[in-house]
Amino acid sequence: AQKVTQAQTEISVVEKEDVTLDCVYETRDTTYYLFWYKQPPSGELVFLIRRNSFDEQNEISGRYSWNFQKSTSSFNFTITASQVVDSAVYFCALSQFSGTYKYIFGTGTRLKVLA
Amino acid sequence: EAGVVQSPRYKIIEKKQPVAFWCNPISGHNTLYWYLQNLGQGPELLIRYENEEAVDDSQLPKDRFSAERLKGVDSTLKIQPAELGDSAVYLCASSLDGTGSYEQYFGPGTRLTVT
Repeated sequence: AQKVTQAQTEISVVEKEDVTLDCVYETRDTTYYLFWYKQPPSGELVFLIRRNSFDEQNEISGRYSWNFQKSTSSFNFTITASQVVDSAVYFCALSQFSGTYKYIFGTGTRLKVLA
Repeated sequence: EAGVVQSPRYKIIEKKQPVAFWCNPISGHNTLYWYLQNLGQGPELLIRYENEEAVDDSQLPKDRFSAERLKGVDSTLKIQPAELGDSAVYLCASSLDGTGSYEQYFGPGTRLTVT
């Protein structure tokens, strides 16, 4: 069975602090994709990053970085020097296709960045 | 390029009344998704279309929910009759195809309140 767990329900940090959002997934497939989405207070989910299961290279995009570790089935997301505009709910998602296509979201982590 | 368009943004109805939501995906996106999002939860798939074919409607409560995507472009999701428990945000998303390798682009959602 496939599953995405975001154990952190809510995190509060002070502006300029670094913060890491955890994502742990379960799948039996060897081919799968992992995603992160941001849902700001306006409500619209925004795509941030996609990773396929064969590419374990970490990625950095500005203040955002992602650490993909197959050995621990984790795909963690770090925001460096957080800003108030980073306040949102962040969702991790898993996609796989083994006969039937499944796309599963975690329950999300609400990040509050305080000024 | 225009994003995913949804209407209405908000809807308040009394229980047992019908309601319909409309979605226009990004041009060229063959795959269209309808999701349900309850407060504090991640999106849950209701139905997925590949062009005009509903390829996954296993989570759609077919006794009261229906959907269509007649020309493989825009789509309508209907609830009849609505129940109090249907109060939620209904999200529409689209992607280039349904292999799971592509990210999804989401509309702003329709917030439904059933009184």
